[in-house]
Amino acid sequence: GAVVSQHPSWVICKSGTSVKIECRSLDFQATTMFWYRQFPKQSLMLMATSNEGSKATYEQGVEKDKFLINHASLTLSTLTVTSAHPEDSSFYICSARDVKNPNYGYTFGSGTRLTVV
Amino acid sequence: GENVEQHPSTLSVQEGDSAVIKCTYSDSASNYFPWYKQELGKRPQLIIDIRSNVGEKKDQRIAVTLNKTAKHFSLHITETQPEDSAVYFCAASTREGSNYKLTFGKGTLLTVNP
Repeated sequence: GAVVSQHPSWVICKSGTSVKIECRSLDFQATTMFWYRQFPKQSLMLMATSNEGSKATYEQGVEKDKFLINHASLTLSTLTVTSAHPEDSSFYICSARDVKNPNYGYTFGSGTRLTVV
Repeated sequence: GENVEQHPSTLSVQEGDSAVIKCTYSDSASNYFPWYKQELGKRPQLIIDIRSNVGEKKDQRIAVTLNKTAKHFSLHITETQPEDSAVYFCAASTREGSNYKLTFGKGTLLTVNP
């Protein structure tokens, strides 16, 4: 089945620094990847849709200059949280869709727990 | 855009009983409806899904029904077990331009008491 690998699984950073999160599709090509944020006891909120070779599409209210998304290849998308602040502490999860096999639906990475101190 | 409502927010059942979680969606163009189980601190795991051309799907103890006219879909878990305890999310997939987008409900915390 489709597998999505996400790294790191957790990270602690100082306020004002930047953090990069990687999302890789291991056994399929993902022309589209999605980035979600999940606060404790809440649902997954879509932040942006990342298309290989083009600019990401951000959801309303998500700062594109703060959450930089790069999807340079068919198997890798990265999310960089720039100038992180404590309110950015959250669980970030990526997802990918194997467009060649629609039965796979959406596959999720294992998530990254970001803590900004 | 799509709006997905999910009820109840919490559900407590006795082991062996059935559990039903209901969702409604707003965009009639949505055509794919997955259900995910998420344990604390882990990724959502797909447990069952249904496409808009099907009214019902079953996989062992889990079933999903879809009423396109009423724009609602439901998850049914029979013979519940303590290991079914988790947060369950429904979702609806809609095409927006050239992109597909998955919108989640707010989740249901299911507790199965032994």
